[in-house]
Amino acid sequence: GAGVSQSPRYKVTKRGQDVALRCDPISGHVSLYWYRQALGQGPEFLTYFNYEAQQDKSGLPNDRFSAERPEGSISTLTIQRTEQRDSAMYRCASSSPRAGGYEQYFGPGTRLTVT
Amino acid sequence: AQSVTQLGSHVSVSEGALVLLRCNYSSSVPPYLFWYVQYPNQGLQLLLKYTTGATLVKGINGFEAEFKKSETSFHLTKPSAHMSDAAEYFCAVRKTAGGTSYGKLTFGQGTILTVHP
Repeated sequence: GAGVSQSPRYKVTKRGQDVALRCDPISGHVSLYWYRQALGQGPEFLTYFNYEAQQDKSGLPNDRFSAERPEGSISTLTIQRTEQRDSAMYRCASSSPRAGGYEQYFGPGTRLTVT
Repeated sequence: AQSVTQLGSHVSVSEGALVLLRCNYSSSVPPYLFWYVQYPNQGLQLLLKYTTGATLVKGINGFEAEFKKSETSFHLTKPSAHMSDAAEYFCAVRKTAGGTSYGKLTFGQGTILTVHP
């Protein structure tokens, strides 16, 4: 596709359920990033991958959050036993090493609501 | 650790007036600097970036920003606001090299720009 896609765009789930959020980066982009954005705040870094290797997961808030990118393309962010405080916009971005890889291209996000 | 402060969570201007959105950063070394714009129900779009070279950088839609190392600032400006500029703007920084957190962006809290006719 032309840009980064994320699915679902909206997810409503009950507290205690697990959710999986998907990110499909721009074709050929090596690096993939996950961010979380609370209402009225800027995005906060969660984790990122180069190819299939998770380079940094320092932003994952606790062990209920995990991410994978098994084939170096599509990535899944999984939240287990969701809590109301997990409600936020989850954003994915990708970048290419060409031209220094400075620019991160963002998807439209997944709005997660935990009831 | 890096941090970004955007002064003013809301800025309101009249159409045709100067737009000035302020961004200051804290970093042990000068980072790469970015401005992103977010329109309602859309993803973040890169407006402009500073990596190296000329400290005055031009971006899309007539925006520009100047990196001032002595002031640790990267303010965003546009000479004449248009109604279509109404959006939320985010300043972000990234480390220039090294370490496992090399790739991540650190964002400010955002500034909502309102343009009045």
